[in-house]
Amino acid sequence: DIQMTQSPSAMSASVGDRVTITCRANQDINNYLAWFQQKPGKVPERLIYASSSLQSGVPSRFSGSGSGTEFTLTISSLQPEDFATYYCLQHISSPLTFGGGTKVEI
Amino acid sequence: QVQLQESGPGLVKPSETLSLTCTVSGASITSSYYYWGWIRQPPGKGLEWIGNMFYSGKTYYKPSLESRVTISADTSKNQFSLKLNSVTAADTAVYYCARRPSGHSPDYWGQGILVTVSS
Repeated sequence: DIQMTQSPSAMSASVGDRVTITCRANQDINNYLAWFQQKPGKVPERLIYASSSLQSGVPSRFSGSGSGTEFTLTISSLQPEDFATYYCLQHISSPLTFGGGTKVEI
Repeated sequence: QVQLQESGPGLVKPSETLSLTCTVSGASITSSYYYWGWIRQPPGKGLEWIGNMFYSGKTYYKPSLESRVTISADTSKNQFSLKLNSVTAADTAVYYCARRPSGHSPDYWGQGILVTVSS
């Protein structure tokens, strides 16, 4: 299985902050990586697909980058509605594997 | 508009079989472009991919669950199902069904259903 290591597991931030979350794969996954946002009690929503493509309807303050084994999700200016848990997902091969999640708190 | 909806019992006894159905609307599960699968999330924990199936019937499962899992389709109803046998408390989770375009990540998810394993 491909292991996805996400960091940090939790972080405190303020409105307006620039936030960066990292995901590392233990083998090359090219750009087969997506980022999801999940709010409490809600279904995960895809923010970024193919490492850096913004999902339709997602604000442009979200961006993704990386290829191979290291990937980054950046929120350029954190908004109140962005406090949530974020997950990366590799889908180059089965079994698909998620990162452990990053909880972004006030 | 593509919609997925999970259904099934919310409570299962230990050692029994968990059975869930995902009803799909707005897309055909026989399309050659999509995988249809299941993801779960134990309370307060992260997401775990269980497995998926392709229109051909080919299935892919998480290795640690493979001996207990079956994903299958009822094309006449445009539904697919999950069966997980010999459940324990560790299988208590919200179970989501999801669509995944070939070569891509899941793009549509169901609302999720909480299944509790308890006597």
